[in-house]
Amino acid sequence: DAGITQSPRHKVTETGTPVTLRCHQTENHRYMYWYRQDPGHGLRLIHYSYGVKDTDKGEVSDGYSVSRSKTEDFLLTLESATSSQTSVYFCAIRLTDTDTQYFGPGTRLTVL
Amino acid sequence: GQQLNQSPQSMFIQEGEDVSMNCTSSSIFNTWLWYKQEPGEGPVLLIALYKAGELTSNGRLTAQFGITRKDSFLNISASIPSDVGIYFCAGHRNSGNTPLVFGKGTRLSVIA
Repeated sequence: DAGITQSPRHKVTETGTPVTLRCHQTENHRYMYWYRQDPGHGLRLIHYSYGVKDTDKGEVSDGYSVSRSKTEDFLLTLESATSSQTSVYFCAIRLTDTDTQYFGPGTRLTVL
Repeated sequence: GQQLNQSPQSMFIQEGEDVSMNCTSSSIFNTWLWYKQEPGEGPVLLIALYKAGELTSNGRLTAQFGITRKDSFLNISASIPSDVGIYFCAGHRNSGNTPLVFGKGTRLSVIA
């Protein structure tokens, strides 16, 4: 599992509330990614990071922000959650010398 | 964003049968990856391919990096019930920070 944990694993929240999801890795990987997975859309990249304080947008970044203040943690924040952000969110790391990515166990988020 | 064309979308097969699925793109890729995802879990890496023409096996699974670098194939021999899941292909076009591109997955069902 490349030492990746996600928290929380499940969350139910209300529209308009802020939500932060955490991805934690223990193996000092430089690259980290946040994806969302929805039926019919597969995995879509939200944001990614290529180092501490270095982040970039993916294809579905609207409504999301990220922070990486230390190597081991990559936080995904929904400033004001909407029902369209109900999804399963996966964090991934990439091995530095290859293109291989490993995924965390996921967070199921429901926005009511 | 760009996605890979993965087919078939779903398959229903008898236990013991062989399975083939593929991914195609109009662009050249430098790396092809194949993942399996089971319900409630994150995608798990099965096979990574790094060179055109490369053929790599992992138990009953065999994957190939197409000669044109625009496609990849995954074969499963003598399927068993635990092969059930969604299989994703992913490709990496360039080195550096460029994110992976994913197919939408092939859902495999095995009938005992």
